[in-house]
Amino acid sequence: GQQLNQSPQSMFIQEGEDVSMNCTSSSIFNTWLWYKQDPGEGPVLLIALYKAGELTSNGRLTAQFGITRKDSFLNISASIPSDVGIYFCAGQLGGADGLTFGKGTHLIIQP
Amino acid sequence: SQTIHQWPATLVQPVGSPLSLECTVEGTSNPNLYWYRQAAGRGLQLLFYSVGIGQISSEVPQNLSASRPQDRQFILSSKKLLLSDSGFYLCAWSGVGYEQYFGPGTRLTVT
Repeated sequence: GQQLNQSPQSMFIQEGEDVSMNCTSSSIFNTWLWYKQDPGEGPVLLIALYKAGELTSNGRLTAQFGITRKDSFLNISASIPSDVGIYFCAGQLGGADGLTFGKGTHLIIQP
Repeated sequence: SQTIHQWPATLVQPVGSPLSLECTVEGTSNPNLYWYRQAAGRGLQLLFYSVGIGQISSEVPQNLSASRPQDRQFILSSKKLLLSDSGFYLCAWSGVGYEQYFGPGTRLTVT
């Protein structure tokens, strides 16, 4: 089946730094989504992308849908302590299909 | 607004015992419903999805089954649990926009 390669696996950064993470796939997706998960909780949707080349922002978060439909990235600007958590990318072929998830990027912010 | 509930929140069951996890959605009609499993430190794996009452699609062969007896109710079951069934089980729903929203999850430990 399809696989998503998400990198980096973990990031140790200082508060106030910018963060960048990405996801690549061996095959195309028609929708890319980014989620954040806190320990013991369900993932929370951050950004959804529907068109190749689309660049979408949500506050300090910016995500892009790659033009090849096989990749996406998420940037977080000026990180704050509450950004700590695991970030997942997910791809969807379309409609009611289930999501294919990356393995996550664990973001750790050092004071 | 829409709300998704899962129960129980945590469950410890012996090997060979039956399982029933429940997911309900409020505030929407005819949602698409999904069950995912998350192993420790991993991404989410799609188990089942449903586009309507009595309609279940299975993504991977396994020891589990799903049912949708009502429009906004999705149940995950097993007749005999295995150690490998331990994990964090997440229910999600989507509507006309197809973005998936997750519940709080059930932590299952099989002993």
